[in-house]
Amino acid sequence: QVQLVQSGAEVKKPGASVKVSCKAFGYTFTGYYIHWVRQAPGQGLEWMGWINPDSGGTKYAQKFQGRLTMTRDTSISTAYMELSSLRSDDTAVYYCSRSGRGVGDWFDLWGQGTLVTVSS
Amino acid sequence: QSALTQPASVSGSPGQSITISCTGTSSDVGNYNLVSWYQQHPGKAPKLMIYEVTKRPSGVSNRFSGSKSGNTASLTISGLQAEDEADYYCCSYVGSSTFVFGGGTKLTVL
Repeated sequence: QVQLVQSGAEVKKPGASVKVSCKAFGYTFTGYYIHWVRQAPGQGLEWMGWINPDSGGTKYAQKFQGRLTMTRDTSISTAYMELSSLRSDDTAVYYCSRSGRGVGDWFDLWGQGTLVTVSS
Repeated sequence: QSALTQPASVSGSPGQSITISCTGTSSDVGNYNLVSWYQQHPGKAPKLMIYEVTKRPSGVSNRFSGSKSGNTASLTISGLQAEDEADYYCCSYVGSSTFVFGGGTKLTVL
């Protein structure tokens, strides 16, 4: 079955880092980009960036430059999103999603989401 | 990059049609035919409903349609059903391999 399965909920203190995983099933992992999108409680969707699992190339939204790192392990078809220097306003559900490799391709497959709570 | 502008809420009765607008600028919505729409039910992940402004993925009802005029894209849902009640988000490619979402619209089926 084609799906993205994410790691479980996390609770972190301000200033810490969090690393969320996203494992792909049922399709060729290196054939599609993985994007990360977050949603703060009661708020809208916010695009964070993407990784090309084939090359490892990345692109991050300017807002997250310097704090966000996306990596992948092709041997286990898994992408990772690490956000550092966490603040309370980073509390959100983090989704991974898949897109084609064309310019501006859409997000056709989504993970179930991972709640990250930042609290002292 | 500022979020695209969507109405906070829209409503309609079963069987009616509604349209949700998504307004950007000449740098995003107006410059690319790369607008997509997502449906999100409470507590669930978003679901792709429309891509490349007007195209529907396999499995999405033909009651859903998309269009664009200038800097504004629109999602129209005809023959409203109770199951259409959800939040809807537009998304546009904005160049340099980056994307922006709209603020989201809550659809209420009366």
